Amino acid sequence: KAGVTQTPRYLIKTRGQQVTLSCSPISGHRSVSWYQQTPGQGLQFLFEYFSETQRNKGNFPGRFSGRQFSNSRSEMNVSTLELGDSALYLCASSLVDSLSPLHFGNGTRLTVT
Amino acid sequence: AQTVTQSQPEMSVQEAETVTLSCTYDTSESNYYLFWYKQPPSRQMILVIRQEAYKQQNATENRFSVNFQKAAKSFSLKISDSQLGDTAMYFCAFMKHTNFGNEKLTFGTGTRLTIIP
Repeated sequence: KAGVTQTPRYLIKTRGQQVTLSCSPISGHRSVSWYQQTPGQGLQFLFEYFSETQRNKGNFPGRFSGRQFSNSRSEMNVSTLELGDSALYLCASSLVDSLSPLHFGNGTRLTVT
Repeated sequence: AQTVTQSQPEMSVQEAETVTLSCTYDTSESNYYLFWYKQPPSRQMILVIRQEAYKQQNATENRFSVNFQKAAKSFSLKISDSQLGDTAMYFCAFMKHTNFGNEKLTFGTGTRLTIIP
C-alpha cells in the first residue's frame, strides 16, 4: 500500500506570492492533518480535515487555508507569503477514529525569499 | 492547553548499548494518548510506539519500550541494543482523546539521537 504522498518536495517562492501544497493520503484514510515544522517553533498543528470538512484548526493566521476533496486528497494554501513561512510542511493521514495512528508523508520544504 | 517537554536536546550512545530518552507532559485531561515519533534525515515522521493513558501496562515494540508514569506525567522511551539506523530526531507527542476523530498532536522539541559505530 502506498504511503502518504506530498508534492512538491521542494518549493522556492518570493514574499507576497501564494503557494499550494498537495497531499494524497493512504488509500482508505479519510482524515488528513497538516503540520508546520520550523527550527524555532518546532512542530505545530495547522488543521485537520475529514470528509471534506475542517474539524480542527491550530493557531495560524487566515493566510493559511486548506481543503479536502471527495477522494480525501488535501491541499493547503498559503497566501501573501512571509519569510517566516519558510518551513517543512508535513501532512499526515489516518483512519477515522482517534485510536488510529497518524502516518506522515516526507513533507514539502518551502523556502520564501 | 497541553505541553510536552523534552529536556535532552542531544544524546549519543555506542551501538548495541541501551539509551533512554526523557519526556514529561502537562495536561488536565484524563483520557489521552502518548507517542514517540522518529524523524530520520529523510524527514518522514515515523511512529515508534504508542501508549494509551488508561492502560497501566507499558507499551513495547521490539527493541523499543516506554516507562509511563501517569501520576508523574512522565513518558520515557528506552531503546535496547541500539542500531545505526536508530540515528534520528525523536519527538514525544500528546493527543487528547475524542469521540470525534483525531485531535491535534502536541509535540515536544525533540531529542537528536546519534548512534556511534
